[in-house]
Order: sequence, then C-alpha cells, then structure tokens
Amino acid sequence: DIVLTQSPGTLSLFPGERATLSCWASQSISSNYLAWYQQRPGQAPRLLMYDGSRRATGIPDRFSGSGSGTYFTLTISRLEPEDFAVYYCQHCGAAPKSFGGGTKVEIK
Amino acid sequence: EVQLVESGGGLVKPGGSLRLSCVGSGFTFSIYSMNWVRQAPGKGLEWVSSISSDFSYIYYSDSVKGRFTISRDNAQSSLYLQMNSLSAEDTAVYYCARGYCSDTNCYYPFDTWGHGTLVTVS
Repeated sequence: DIVLTQSPGTLSLFPGERATLSCWASQSISSNYLAWYQQRPGQAPRLLMYDGSRRATGIPDRFSGSGSGTYFTLTISRLEPEDFAVYYCQHCGAAPKSFGGGTKVEIK
Repeated sequence: EVQLVESGGGLVKPGGSLRLSCVGSGFTFSIYSMNWVRQAPGKGLEWVSSISSDFSYIYYSDSVKGRFTISRDNAQSSLYLQMNSLSAEDTAVYYCARGYCSDTNCYYPFDTWGHGTLVTVS
C-alpha cells in the first residue's frame, strides 16, 4: 500500500506570503493519480488539484501543483485570508486511496 | 447544483450497528463511482470504501474490512454504508464523495463531497 507523508505538519505564514507544502509517497506513483484537497474549519474537504498539477473548477491560479515519482508539492503563491486551512494530498489510483496526514496553514 | 447529502449518523453503543445513507442530486448518479471517507475528531481524512458505478469493484480499508459494507441504488441515486461491530475507533464524521470511472479504470479524484454525518460510538 502507498503511504503519503506530508510536511510540515503546520506552516505559519503571513497573508501575502508564499506557501510550499510537500507530499512524499512511499513508492513511486503517477502524477496522474495525485490530488490535493483543502479543508477549511467546519467544512467538508474540496478538491483543489488533480493529475498533480491541474486546478479543479473554480480554483484560483495562485494555487499550483508539481512533482513526480515520490515527491509532490502544492504551492500557494500569495496567501489570501481564505487560504488558511488544512491541505491533504491523496493517491487516487488503485485502492487503498490513501490520504496524507495533512498540513495546516495558519496565520502567523 | 451537484449535491451530496449524508444521513443516518448518531450515537451507538460499542458492538452496535448503523447504516449511513448518501443521496446525490444534480448529476447522473449511476455513472459515477462513489466513496466513503471519514474523519475522527481533530484528525485527518481516512479513506474507508469505494464502489464503482456498475458495482464491478468494491474496496475497503483494512480498518473496516469485514465489518462495513458499501452498496448503492442507482435508481434512487443513493449510496449506503452498513457499519457493524462498531468500536470507539469508528467515531468520526463520515463523508460521501463522488469519484469517476473511465472505460479503463476508476483512478480519479473525489470532486464533490457531502457535508458529512457524525457517528459517535460510546
């Protein structure tokens, strides 16, 4: 089974700063099967990125994804107040469709 | 509007059973794979189970295999999760989420999520 490890656990930044979140896979996976989700407090998760680097419908272009093999990143170019949330990566290939442990982006 | 609405959560004693439901609207339910994901209080997301549009594949996480059963009724645009032998470790908000299957695989992200239903085992 593929295990996803996210780092850091918490990222403390000011609005306007750049955020870089990491997701490590325990074995090589296709970027086609790597997705990112955002979860704001008290809300359900929502799809941010799929295929590693494609933005889901309605997601602003300050969000970008990259990576291949065992290392993937989610970058938020300039943090807006609504971006302070928890972010999860997910392997959406063959089951189990595991999630990473999450990175909380908090206001510094 | 594409929407998923879960129901059926509640308080149940250890060893008990519960059946969750999820109704989809605003899309053709029968062509999408469907999934259950849970989140224990203050914890991260945990994939629980998936079922393809045509029932050809069903998968469970190791933590629920043998205790939980996923099913669907495409005519009713409904997804279900029968949960048996519940323990405190099953306490969580349970989300249903929409996936997709192409002609070749079901390796697609979860693009629509419900608001979740809380299951408390105590």
